[in-house]
Amino acid sequence: EPEVTQTPSHQVTQMGQEVILRCVPISNHLYFYWYRQILGQKVEFLVSFYNNEISEKSEIFDDQFSVERPDGSNFTLKIRSTKLEDSAMYFCASSQGAVIIQETQYFGPGTRLLVL
Amino acid sequence: LAKTTQPISMDSYEGQEVNITCSHNNIATNDYITWYQQFPSQGPRFIIQGYKTKVTNEVASLFIPADRKSSTLSLPRVSLSDTAVYYCLVGDGNTDKLIFGTGTRLQVFP
Repeated sequence: EPEVTQTPSHQVTQMGQEVILRCVPISNHLYFYWYRQILGQKVEFLVSFYNNEISEKSEIFDDQFSVERPDGSNFTLKIRSTKLEDSAMYFCASSQGAVIIQETQYFGPGTRLLVL
Repeated sequence: LAKTTQPISMDSYEGQEVNITCSHNNIATNDYITWYQQFPSQGPRFIIQGYKTKVTNEVASLFIPADRKSSTLSLPRVSLSDTAVYYCLVGDGNTDKLIFGTGTRLQVFP
C-alpha cells in the first residue's frame, strides 16, 4: 500500500537555526498538507498546497514558515529561524483531491523537532 | 474559529461498543466529517468519513444528525488494540480551514 514518508524522523536544532522537514507524498496525490502537534496537544493545521501554491494557511503559519515542492516528489516545510515553541511533531499529509470533496488525507509518520 | 470539541477521555472494556461524539457547531456547508485514530508517536490514521446520516465500513460507523453540528464515531466490540486517541476533522464554516477536534483518549481494558 502506498504511504507518505517523512525525513528525518527526529531533528534537534539550536534556536535561531533553519530547519527543513521533508516529505514524499503518495505519488498520484495532488494536495499536500503540513500539520503540527505539540506534545500532549491536538493536531493543528498549518498549510495546504495545491498546484504549486499555498491554498490555505493557519495563523500559526507565519513568515518564518515556507513550503516548497522542489521536484516532482518532495514536499518540504522550512522554518527559517526556529524558536523554542516550534518544538513539536510535524506531520505531512497528502490527498488525491481536496478534503472537502470527500478525499481522504493520508498522514506520514511525522518528524519530531526539538529546538534547544 | 469555531470550536470542535470532544470528550477528553473514555474508558471501555474489550468487546463493548464505544461511541465518541464530536461537536462542530460551525462546520462548513459542503465539508465532510472525517475521523482519525492516532497511536503514540504516529501520524493520524483514517477511520471513516461521512457527510450526513449514517456511514458504515468494516471498522466503524459514523452517525451525523441532520443539522451536522455533531457527529458520533461508533466502534463496535473494541479490543485492546483500539486504545488510542481519536480525532474528528472538519472544515470551519467561516474560514474553510481544517480543524481537528480536541481528541478523545480511549483506553480499553481487558
